[in-house]
Amino acid sequence: GAVVSQHPSRVICKSGTSVKIECRSLDFQATTMFWYRQFPKQSLMLMATSNEGSKATYEQGVEKDKFLINHASLTLSTLTVTSAHPEDSSFYICSARELWGAADTQYFGPGTRLTVL
Amino acid sequence: AQKITQTQPGMFVQEKEAVTLDCTYDTSDPSYGLFWYKQPSSGEMIFLIYQGSYDQQNATEGRYSLNFQKARKSANLVISASQLGDSAMYFCAMRENSGGSNYKLTFGKGTLLTVNP
Repeated sequence: GAVVSQHPSRVICKSGTSVKIECRSLDFQATTMFWYRQFPKQSLMLMATSNEGSKATYEQGVEKDKFLINHASLTLSTLTVTSAHPEDSSFYICSARELWGAADTQYFGPGTRLTVL
Repeated sequence: AQKITQTQPGMFVQEKEAVTLDCTYDTSDPSYGLFWYKQPSSGEMIFLIYQGSYDQQNATEGRYSLNFQKARKSANLVISASQLGDSAMYFCAMRENSGGSNYKLTFGKGTLLTVNP
């Protein structure tokens, strides 16, 4: 199956700093990638849809100036959490849309656990 | 109204037995796709199986099968011959294919499956 990598897997930072998370599709090109946030024992919450070469589409209630998304190539999307605060601590997981076959499936990265002190 | 409903917060099954995880959905879109993902404690989301709304036959992938009952709007996951490694959180998701959906997935709240030896 299609492989998506995510880096870093875990990050601890001080309040006020910015953190960049990378999402890469390793063996396919992804014109669309998605960023999710997941709190403990809860489901995935879609934050934004990232389209290569265009601005990301953010879900209602997600601050676009807080969570900067860049999809500069067909295999890479980045999420930058700017001026992170403890309430931003969460599990962030990306997915990439793989078009081959009937399923048109989203394949997920392994996730990034962010802890803001 | 919730688009994806998983009514079982937790399920237990004995090793080597079969288990059914329930999922009902709500949509007025005639074209949609249904997905099941597995999330072990490590956090990665693993794609298991896909069913398209126009598919005539139930999807199968190895030990996984999807019991698709369109009139009832249900898409239950059946895992046969459960293994200890099947213990994980399982999410049902739907993609509505109408214009403007941007191929987003809507997730249910998940079912935590525990396989007992």
